[in-house]
Amino acid sequence: AQTVTQSQPEMSVQEAETVTLSCTYDTSESNYYLFWYKQPPSRQMILVIRQEAYKQQNATENRFSVNFQKAAKSFSLKISDSQLGDTAMYFCAFMKQGGSRLTFGEGTQLTVNP
Amino acid sequence: GAVVSQHPSRVICKSGTSVKIECRSLDFQATTMFWYRQFPKQSLMLMATSNEGSKATYEQGVEKDKFLINHASLTLSTLTVTSAHPEDSSFYICSARDPQLAGGTDTQYFGPGTRLTVL
Repeated sequence: AQTVTQSQPEMSVQEAETVTLSCTYDTSESNYYLFWYKQPPSRQMILVIRQEAYKQQNATENRFSVNFQKAAKSFSLKISDSQLGDTAMYFCAFMKQGGSRLTFGEGTQLTVNP
Repeated sequence: GAVVSQHPSRVICKSGTSVKIECRSLDFQATTMFWYRQFPKQSLMLMATSNEGSKATYEQGVEKDKFLINHASLTLSTLTVTSAHPEDSSFYICSARDPQLAGGTDTQYFGPGTRLTVL
């Protein structure tokens, strides 16, 4: 069974600053996908970024990038130039390749302060 | 693209009644849909996985007779909470998956959720 751990229940950052959210996972699979989802106060789950484990290059989406360390089983999310609209709960998630089930971490509540 | 809708967004019902929640994939065909439950300030808990045209697979501890799931078409899945009680009050979220989307990376796309309150 896979597990996903987010060790930071809450974080805060000043607007325009950079913040990094941590995520570690445990699996015996070699092929899998990793995701970051955000859930703002509206509670709509929004895909932020995804990473295929077979790709060495870290995924980036505009101000969002990941630091994927496969050997260390670490998948952190960096948010650059933080904006007030980034305030949300962020969930790290794992899915094995060929499977369909997402395993979520407990979430990190990020607050961006003006 | 990859939009999932849920209806209703909010429902209040009396104890003992049944409530149906619809989940639709609007611009893609969802071979698999998922139903989650989320309590305040907690993570998503997978309740069941449904594949179009077949019976849903329920997670351990989820009562299949209480939470009826139907996935009759590639764009619609329904969750019916039967004989609802106050302890069933929660936020229910569906997601849908099409392996052909997103370059085959098998991403799940989520609906906006339904807040169920049982009085």
